[in-house]
Amino acid sequence: DTAVSQTPKYLVTQMGNDKSIKCEQNLGHDTMYWYKQDSKKFLKIMFSYNNKELIINETVPNRFSPKSPDKAHLNLHINSLELGDSAVYFCASRYRGETQYFGPGTRLLVL
Amino acid sequence: EDQVTQSPEALRLQEGESSSLNCSYTVSGLRGLFWYRQDPGKGPEFLFTLYSAGEEKEKERLKATLTKKESFLHITAPKPEDSATYLCAVRGGKAAGNKLTFGGGTRVLVKP
Repeated sequence: DTAVSQTPKYLVTQMGNDKSIKCEQNLGHDTMYWYKQDSKKFLKIMFSYNNKELIINETVPNRFSPKSPDKAHLNLHINSLELGDSAVYFCASRYRGETQYFGPGTRLLVL
Repeated sequence: EDQVTQSPEALRLQEGESSSLNCSYTVSGLRGLFWYRQDPGKGPEFLFTLYSAGEEKEKERLKATLTKKESFLHITAPKPEDSATYLCAVRGGKAAGNKLTFGGGTRVLVKP
C-alpha cells in the first residue's frame, strides 16, 4: 500500500548521459512535486504539477524536464548530466489540503 | 522571498533529556508551517501542520508550537528512536507560488 513511490532508488551514471526518474502516487492527489536535496540536506523545490499542468518551475536548468502523463505520475528527465546534479531527488504529492507526502527518494550519483 | 532558519544544526541528547528545536521564518501570507521527520536514507515523514499563532499540536513525545515569527518542536523525555533529522517548512501564499520552503533541518541524536 505504498503511497508515493519512486524508481529507481539508486542511479549511478556518467557525466553527459541522459536519465529519467519515475514517480507514482496512489493517494488520488492532484498535485505532484519534485524536490532536490543537496549534500547539506536542504530540500529545494524544482517543479510542481497540478492535474498534469505545470504550476511551479523554479530556477532549474532546462536540462531538467518534468513530464506528467496523468495525475498519478510525474517523471523527471535529465539531459546531459553534470557532476553538480548529484543529489537525492524526492517526489511528493498533495491533495487539496496543505500537507505534502514524500516518496523515498532517488539517490543520483554522477561520475 | 520566503526564508526558514532552523537551530541548532545538531543536537545530542541523553535519553530522557527534554529539549526544543527552533524554526524561525519569514513568509508572505503564511498558509501553514510544517514539521517533518527524516530518517537516514528515507523521505520526509509528515508530523504536524500549524496555521496560526498560538496553535499547538502534539504527537507522543513531540509538541509543536507556533508564534508569528517562529515555531518550536519540543521533545519530551526523548528515546533513541526519536533520533532523526527534523525539518521545518513554510507554505506561502499565491505570490510565492504556494510552494514549501524548507529549513536546513536539525539532526537529533538521542543516546541511551
